[in-house]
Amino acid sequence: AQRVTQPEKLLSVFKGAPVELKCNYSYSGSPELFWYVQYSRQRLQLLLRHISRESIKGFTADLNKGETSFHLKKPFAQEEDSAMYYCALVFTGGGNKLTFGTGTQLKVEL
Amino acid sequence: KAGVTQTPRYLIKTRGQQVTLSCSPISGHRSVSWYQQTPGQGLQFLFEYFSETQRNKGNFPGRFSGRQFSNSRSEMNVSTLELGDSALYLCASSFRQGRDGELFFGEGSRLTVL
Repeated sequence: AQRVTQPEKLLSVFKGAPVELKCNYSYSGSPELFWYVQYSRQRLQLLLRHISRESIKGFTADLNKGETSFHLKKPFAQEEDSAMYYCALVFTGGGNKLTFGTGTQLKVEL
Repeated sequence: KAGVTQTPRYLIKTRGQQVTLSCSPISGHRSVSWYQQTPGQGLQFLFEYFSETQRNKGNFPGRFSGRQFSNSRSEMNVSTLELGDSALYLCASSFRQGRDGELFFGEGSRLTVL
Protein backbone atom coordinates (compact mmCIF):
# COMPACT_ATOMS: atom_id res chain seq x y z
CA ALA A 1 0.00 0.00 0.00
CA GLN A 2 1.14 3.54 -0.64
CA ARG A 3 2.35 5.68 2.21
CA VAL A 4 3.35 9.34 2.58
CA THR A 5 5.69 10.46 5.32
CA GLN A 6 6.22 14.00 6.51
CA PRO A 7 8.82 13.69 9.26
CA GLU A 8 8.39 17.14 10.76
CA LYS A 9 5.25 18.10 12.63
CA LEU A 10 6.45 21.65 13.07
CA LEU A 11 9.01 23.66 11.16
CA SER A 12 9.94 27.09 12.39
CA VAL A 13 12.04 29.47 10.25
CA PHE A 14 12.81 33.16 10.21
CA LYS A 15 11.46 35.46 7.56
CA GLY A 16 13.80 35.53 4.58
CA ALA A 17 15.32 32.15 5.38
CA PRO A 18 15.05 29.19 2.99
CA VAL A 19 12.30 26.65 3.60
CA GLU A 20 12.29 22.95 2.89
CA LEU A 21 9.31 20.81 3.85
CA LYS A 22 10.16 17.15 3.56
CA CYS A 23 7.96 14.50 2.00
CA ASN A 24 8.86 10.88 1.33
CA TYR A 25 6.61 8.30 -0.17
CA SER A 26 6.45 4.58 -0.66
CA TYR A 27 4.76 3.27 -3.73
CA SER A 28 5.98 0.72 -6.24
CA GLY A 29 4.47 2.34 -9.32
CA SER A 30 4.52 5.85 -10.75
CA PRO A 31 2.57 8.11 -8.45
CA GLU A 32 1.32 11.61 -8.87
CA LEU A 33 2.40 13.88 -6.04
CA PHE A 34 0.75 17.00 -4.68
CA TRP A 35 1.22 19.62 -2.03
CA TYR A 36 -1.88 20.97 -0.34
CA VAL A 37 -1.90 23.92 2.04
CA GLN A 38 -4.28 25.12 4.72
CA TYR A 39 -3.91 28.70 5.91
CA SER A 40 -5.43 29.74 9.22
CA ARG A 41 -9.24 29.72 9.08
CA GLN A 42 -9.24 28.78 5.40
CA ARG A 43 -10.11 25.59 3.63
CA LEU A 44 -7.59 23.07 2.38
CA GLN A 45 -6.38 24.00 -1.10
CA LEU A 46 -4.05 22.67 -3.75
CA LEU A 47 -0.66 24.39 -3.83
CA LEU A 48 1.05 22.49 -6.61
CA ARG A 49 1.36 19.14 -8.35
CA HIS A 50 4.54 17.61 -9.69
CA ILE A 51 3.24 17.15 -13.23
CA SER A 52 2.72 20.87 -13.78
CA ARG A 53 6.29 21.71 -12.69
CA GLU A 54 5.12 25.19 -11.76
CA SER A 55 6.29 27.59 -9.11
CA ILE A 56 3.36 28.71 -7.00
CA LYS A 57 3.82 31.56 -4.50
CA GLY A 58 7.56 31.00 -4.87
CA PHE A 59 7.31 27.32 -3.90
CA THR A 60 8.71 24.51 -6.03
CA ALA A 61 8.82 20.76 -5.58
CA ASP A 62 10.80 18.21 -7.52
CA LEU A 63 9.90 14.58 -7.68
CA ASN A 64 12.96 12.44 -6.98
CA LYS A 65 12.04 8.89 -7.89
CA GLY A 66 15.38 7.51 -6.75
CA GLU A 67 14.96 8.86 -3.25
CA THR A 68 11.14 8.63 -3.41
CA SER A 69 10.89 12.21 -2.22
CA PHE A 70 8.89 15.28 -3.13
CA HIS A 71 10.24 18.03 -0.92
CA LEU A 72 8.68 21.50 -1.03
CA LYS A 73 11.10 24.38 -1.21
CA LYS A 74 11.10 28.15 -1.14
CA PRO A 75 14.27 30.26 -1.15
CA PHE A 76 12.96 33.08 1.05
CA ALA A 77 10.16 32.50 3.54
CA GLN A 78 7.47 35.12 4.00
CA GLU A 79 5.21 35.63 7.00
CA GLU A 80 2.16 34.73 4.89
CA ASP A 81 3.65 31.30 4.22
CA SER A 82 2.77 30.24 7.77
CA ALA A 83 0.30 27.41 7.33
CA MET A 84 -0.22 23.66 7.48
CA TYR A 85 1.25 21.83 4.51
CA TYR A 86 0.20 18.35 3.40
CA CYS A 87 1.96 16.14 0.91
CA ALA A 88 -0.33 13.76 -0.96
CA LEU A 89 -0.05 10.93 -3.43
CA VAL A 90 -2.40 9.27 -5.88
CA PHE A 91 -1.49 6.21 -7.86
CA THR A 92 -2.02 6.09 -11.60
CA GLY A 93 -5.66 5.37 -12.27
CA GLY A 94 -6.55 6.03 -8.65
CA GLY A 95 -8.90 8.84 -9.45
CA ASN A 96 -9.15 11.15 -6.47
CA LYS A 97 -8.18 8.56 -3.87
CA LEU A 98 -5.39 10.59 -2.31
CA THR A 99 -3.12 9.35 0.44
CA PHE A 100 -2.10 12.27 2.62
CA GLY A 101 0.85 12.72 4.91
CA THR A 102 0.27 13.87 8.47
CA GLY A 103 1.19 17.44 7.63
CA THR A 104 3.86 19.93 8.65
CA GLN A 105 2.99 23.17 10.40
CA LEU A 106 5.23 25.90 9.00
CA LYS A 107 5.74 28.91 11.21
CA VAL A 108 7.59 31.88 9.78
CA GLU A 109 8.89 34.15 12.49
CA LEU A 110 9.82 37.79 12.09
CA LYS B 1 -17.73 30.68 -8.88
CA ALA B 2 -19.19 29.38 -5.63
CA GLY B 3 -17.03 26.97 -3.72
CA VAL B 4 -17.83 23.55 -2.34
CA THR B 5 -20.61 23.83 0.22
CA GLN B 6 -21.08 21.41 3.07
CA THR B 7 -24.00 21.20 5.46
CA PRO B 8 -24.37 21.09 8.35
CA ARG B 9 -21.16 22.69 9.53
CA TYR B 10 -21.43 21.36 13.07
CA LEU B 11 -23.48 18.61 14.63
CA ILE B 12 -23.61 16.60 17.80
CA LYS B 13 -24.97 13.07 17.94
CA THR B 14 -25.02 10.27 20.46
CA ARG B 15 -23.71 6.74 20.06
CA GLY B 16 -25.96 4.51 18.03
CA GLN B 17 -27.57 7.32 16.06
CA GLN B 18 -27.05 7.92 12.39
CA VAL B 19 -26.05 11.04 10.53
CA THR B 20 -26.30 12.36 6.98
CA LEU B 21 -23.92 14.98 5.64
CA SER B 22 -24.46 16.91 2.45
CA CYS B 23 -22.07 18.33 -0.12
CA SER B 24 -22.71 20.60 -3.10
CA PRO B 25 -19.77 20.63 -5.51
CA ILE B 26 -18.52 23.46 -7.63
CA SER B 27 -20.72 23.92 -10.67
CA GLY B 28 -19.48 21.71 -13.50
CA HIS B 29 -17.57 19.35 -11.24
CA ARG B 30 -18.82 15.80 -11.54
CA SER B 31 -16.53 14.10 -9.05
CA VAL B 32 -17.14 14.30 -5.32
CA SER B 33 -14.81 12.73 -2.77
CA TRP B 34 -15.16 12.43 0.97
CA TYR B 35 -12.36 12.45 3.53
CA GLN B 36 -12.31 12.00 7.28
CA GLN B 37 -9.87 14.13 9.27
CA THR B 38 -8.94 13.30 12.84
CA PRO B 39 -6.00 14.35 15.02
CA GLY B 40 -4.84 10.75 15.32
CA GLN B 41 -5.26 9.43 11.79
CA GLY B 42 -5.04 12.62 9.76
CA LEU B 43 -6.81 12.81 6.42
CA GLN B 44 -8.24 9.51 5.26
CA PHE B 45 -10.10 8.80 2.04
CA LEU B 46 -13.65 7.53 2.42
CA PHE B 47 -15.02 7.30 -1.10
CA GLU B 48 -15.35 9.03 -4.45
CA TYR B 49 -18.40 9.39 -6.65
CA PHE B 50 -18.42 10.28 -10.30
CA SER B 51 -21.58 10.49 -12.41
CA GLU B 52 -23.61 8.92 -9.62
CA THR B 53 -21.33 5.88 -9.40
CA GLN B 54 -18.91 5.04 -6.62
CA ARG B 55 -15.51 4.94 -8.29
CA ASN B 56 -13.21 4.44 -5.33
CA LYS B 57 -13.59 3.33 -1.76
CA GLY B 58 -11.35 3.63 1.28
CA ASN B 59 -10.88 1.25 4.18
CA PHE B 60 -13.87 2.14 6.27
CA PRO B 61 -16.58 -0.17 7.62
CA GLY B 62 -19.90 -0.57 5.87
CA ARG B 63 -21.50 1.84 8.33
CA PHE B 64 -20.08 4.56 6.12
CA SER B 65 -21.97 4.98 2.89
CA GLY B 66 -22.60 7.62 0.33
CA ARG B 67 -24.42 8.49 -2.82
CA GLN B 68 -24.42 11.06 -5.56
CA PHE B 69 -27.37 12.60 -7.28
CA SER B 70 -27.85 13.54 -10.92
CA ASN B 71 -26.96 17.17 -10.16
CA SER B 72 -23.62 15.94 -8.69
CA ARG B 73 -24.61 16.79 -5.13
CA SER B 74 -23.52 14.11 -2.73
CA GLU B 75 -24.47 12.81 0.68
CA MET B 76 -22.65 10.56 3.06
CA ASN B 77 -24.27 8.61 5.83
CA VAL B 78 -22.83 7.06 8.95
CA SER B 79 -25.03 4.62 10.79
CA THR B 80 -24.74 3.28 14.33
CA LEU B 81 -22.38 6.05 15.35
CA GLU B 82 -19.38 5.28 17.54
CA LEU B 83 -17.30 7.65 19.63
CA GLY B 84 -14.43 7.18 17.21
CA ASP B 85 -16.50 8.63 14.38
CA SER B 86 -16.03 12.09 15.87
CA ALA B 87 -14.13 13.92 13.17
CA LEU B 88 -14.13 16.63 10.56
CA TYR B 89 -15.65 15.26 7.37
CA LEU B 90 -14.37 16.99 4.28
CA CYS B 91 -15.97 16.94 0.89
CA ALA B 92 -13.96 17.77 -2.21
CA SER B 93 -15.04 18.21 -5.79
CA SER B 94 -13.05 17.84 -8.94
CA PHE B 95 -13.48 18.29 -12.64
CA ARG B 96 -11.69 14.96 -13.09
CA GLN B 97 -10.98 13.95 -16.69
CA GLY B 98 -7.22 14.11 -16.65
CA ARG B 99 -6.97 16.28 -13.58
CA ASP B 100 -7.07 13.56 -10.94
CA GLY B 101 -5.96 14.70 -7.55
CA GLU B 102 -6.78 18.36 -8.08
CA LEU B 103 -9.38 18.73 -5.39
CA PHE B 104 -11.40 21.71 -4.22
CA PHE B 105 -12.33 21.23 -0.59
CA GLY B 106 -15.28 22.39 1.42
CA GLU B 107 -14.99 23.76 4.94
CA GLY B 108 -16.10 20.48 6.40
CA SER B 109 -18.78 19.14 8.71
CA ARG B 110 -17.58 18.69 12.26
CA LEU B 111 -19.26 15.72 13.87
CA THR B 112 -19.09 15.12 17.59
CA VAL B 113 -20.36 11.80 18.92
CA LEU B 114 -21.18 11.68 22.62
